[in-house]
Amino acid sequence: GAGVSQSPRYKVAKRGQDVALRCDPISGHVSLFWYQQALGQGPEFLTYFQNEAQLDKSGLPSDRFFAERPEGSVSTLKIQRTQQEDSAVYLCASSLARVRSNQPQHFGDGTRLSIL
Amino acid sequence: AQSVTQLGSHVSVSEGALVLLRCNYSSSVPPYLFWYVQYPNQGLQLLLKYTTGATLVKGINGFEAEFKKSETSFHLTKPSAHMSDAAEYFCAVSEMAYKLSFGAGTTVTVRA
Repeated sequence: GAGVSQSPRYKVAKRGQDVALRCDPISGHVSLFWYQQALGQGPEFLTYFQNEAQLDKSGLPSDRFFAERPEGSVSTLKIQRTQQEDSAVYLCASSLARVRSNQPQHFGDGTRLSIL
Repeated sequence: AQSVTQLGSHVSVSEGALVLLRCNYSSSVPPYLFWYVQYPNQGLQLLLKYTTGATLVKGINGFEAEFKKSETSFHLTKPSAHMSDAAEYFCAVSEMAYKLSFGAGTTVTVRA
């Protein structure tokens, strides 16, 4: 596609529910990233994939957060037993090249998650 | 560890005036530095980046930034503000060339 596509754009869930957020990266992009952006803050790194391999998940805030990219293309970020503090915009980005490259990250428009 | 400090959470400028957004970074290795712009309800768009080489970097929409190692700074400027420049701007640093650390952002408003 022309850009990184994220769905849904908006998600409202009740506390305790599980949610799944989808990211379609730019076709052919090797690297995929997830970021969490709280209201009024800059994005914070969650996790990084190179093809289907999750090489860094150091930013995931708890074991309720899980990300996968099984075929090296589409990625899903899952949050189990959601809490109010999970409310944020979740941004996905993709990059053409592998690690240690100066290729820029291209961002999607994000999924705004609200936990009631 | 890498980190970014953006000085000023809000900047207001008149149309046609200079835009100056300040960014200071901390990094234990030579960093990659980036400026991104975010419009409401949209993702981040890359304005410019510094990796190696020339310290004055030109980006899109007339923006430029200068890497000053001695001052650990990467300030963003535009000589003449346009109404369409109203947005939020984020400075980011990367030591490992993939994990970006962002500042808290600076919101720019442009007065007619």
